[in-house]
Order: sequence, then structure tokens, then C-alpha cells
Amino acid sequence: SQQGEEDPQALSIQEGENATMNCSYKTSINNLQWYRQNSGRGLVHLILIRSNEREKHSGRLRVTLDTSKKSSSLLITASRAADTASYFCATDLYTDKLIFGTGTRLQVFP
Amino acid sequence: KAGVTQTPRYLIKTRGQQVTLSCSPISGHRSVSWYQQTPGQGLQFLFEYFSETQRNKGNFPGRFSGRQFSNSRSEMNVSTLELGDSALYLCASSLPGLARYNEQFFGPGTRLTVL
Repeated sequence: SQQGEEDPQALSIQEGENATMNCSYKTSINNLQWYRQNSGRGLVHLILIRSNEREKHSGRLRVTLDTSKKSSSLLITASRAADTASYFCATDLYTDKLIFGTGTRLQVFP
Repeated sequence: KAGVTQTPRYLIKTRGQQVTLSCSPISGHRSVSWYQQTPGQGLQFLFEYFSETQRNKGNFPGRFSGRQFSNSRSEMNVSTLELGDSALYLCASSLPGLARYNEQFFGPGTRLTVL
């Protein structure tokens, strides 16, 4: 079963715009990770945020975590065509397993 | 440092056959996890190996099995293939420690088609 649900399922924007995608989960977690997947390929790790952190930055990426609402958001600023990919959140469910969400498909038009 | 490699990249099998997929982790990584990705079910956790021992297992039937060798390379096997086993199988490695605490480094995947 899926732990994380990303929202929206699909997002289309123009280059230069910001992209925001959200992840909601159901139970307490130790940490939450975001990954990117280009079409049909392996996943690439973007950011890991721990349950006691509220915000984290990496280049053009900003991740927030609200444990009271059981949600996280990924913001990509100044999007580029190369950002076109699917984005997944992954949580641990306070178990030993890493569970991935359903993903958001981002399309950035030049 | 070389990334995670998976072989073969593409595979076509028929129902009832069995298949073995291989994964070589990044040098120094001792944890290897396997995932199945399908359009309908998304990314599903199969199992995780550490030091040749299965540490965690997902909710898959016994037809799905795996093992890890002393050099951390891992194989997964699917016996009696079904049409629904068609998927992208992804392998990920990480530094020692549970997968949930660490960044996972993914291979390119093996695309399995069952006819």
C-alpha cells in the first residue's frame, strides 16, 4: 500500500516559473525523502528531511515538513526544461521499510 | 566512483518461466534494496539485504526471492512468471544502516516484459 500521496498528480508550467508539489502521509515518520525520476529510469535522491526539521534547502529546491499536518512540500524555483520528471516522496512509516508515494509528473515547457 | 549497475536492462519472458536479475551496488555500499515499479501500483518495496541477510521484506508472494553475496552484489529471482510481473525492477544501494535513514542510490532498472 502507498504511504505517501503526492498532489497534484501532474503539473505543467513554463520555464522560469516555480513548481510546488505536496506529499501527505498517514502515520508518524522518522524522516521523509524526495526523489526524481526521469522517464523510465532510476530514481535520483534530492533531499532528506528529518522529523525534527521544518525546512531544508538544496540549490533551487526547498522542502518543508509539517509533522502536525503529516505533509511535506517540494518547491522548485526558476524551473528549467531539464526539471521535467516525476517526483516522489518516500517515508519510513516508523518501520524498517522505505515506502514511496504515488508521484507528481512535472512538465516544464521551454 | 561507478554507480549502481543492473543487468540485464531489458528482458522478455513468457508466462511460467523464471527470471534472475542482477544488481551491483556502489563500491562500499552494503545495503541493497529492490523495488518493483508498475503504472498501476507505483513503486513497491520488495526486499532489503545487508551483509548477505534479508533484513526486510515487502508484501510479495514467495515467487519473489533474492539473495546477496559476500561482495554485496545482489540477485532477485521471480519464478513462475505471471503477466502482472511485467514491470521496471529497480535496485538501490546505500551505506550501512537501514534504508529508511539513508539516501538510496538507484540503478537504471531492468525492464521485464512477460508475454
